Amino acid sequence: KAGVTQTPRYLIKTRGQQVTLSCSPISGHRSVSWYQQTPGQGLQFLFEYFSETQRNKGNFPGRFSGRQFSNSRSEMNVSTLELGDSALYLCASSFRALGEGNQPQHFGDGTRLSIL
Amino acid sequence: DAKTTQPNSMESNEEEPVHLPCNHSTISGTDYIHWYRQLPSQGPEYVIHGLTSNVNNRMASLAIAEDRKSSTLILHRATLRDAAVYYCILMRSGGSNYKLTFGKGTLLTVNP
Repeated sequence: KAGVTQTPRYLIKTRGQQVTLSCSPISGHRSVSWYQQTPGQGLQFLFEYFSETQRNKGNFPGRFSGRQFSNSRSEMNVSTLELGDSALYLCASSFRALGEGNQPQHFGDGTRLSIL
Repeated sequence: DAKTTQPNSMESNEEEPVHLPCNHSTISGTDYIHWYRQLPSQGPEYVIHGLTSNVNNRMASLAIAEDRKSSTLILHRATLRDAAVYYCILMRSGGSNYKLTFGKGTLLTVNP
């Protein structure tokens, strides 16, 4: 069974640009969550999508947005990139929505985003 | 929001048991305690989770204090492959108003 796939694995951008990251969940999983991981702040929840709807959102500015398609694949977009956006962005999928069943999340290996 | 506190690092010897603690003194009744681990250059991997009772699976055991203000992840026989950062996470159930609270993680070093 294929795991969660994130593309690209590495990305370099400059300040002010925008970026789109992609996540393909495990087949049959309808929930996709996004996280930001930095050495200083650790793992922080960005948002969750379930059946193409955003269900919950962490404490991040509006520059961070996402969407989910009918096949459950999800994209995350960050506009007007700042140096502080340099991080590992992780995607996780699960069958049921977060908060509606305590279940494991399956993580991808992340996209390493570097802002110059 | 409920917070979790973990030691920054711990060290163990191969084939010995390891007890990784997590404090969550402000845990609420609907918070599930999840543990994940992360190896270098990989995403986190689910280890175990529980609500009130102790839990066992093929990877580890989770011991939850009676007042639920702390928990301990137990690796019964550490191997070199268990060297990773271990995260204690609270996942609050409750429709779309759930909250996710992450600890900073414990870096586990396993000595051969």
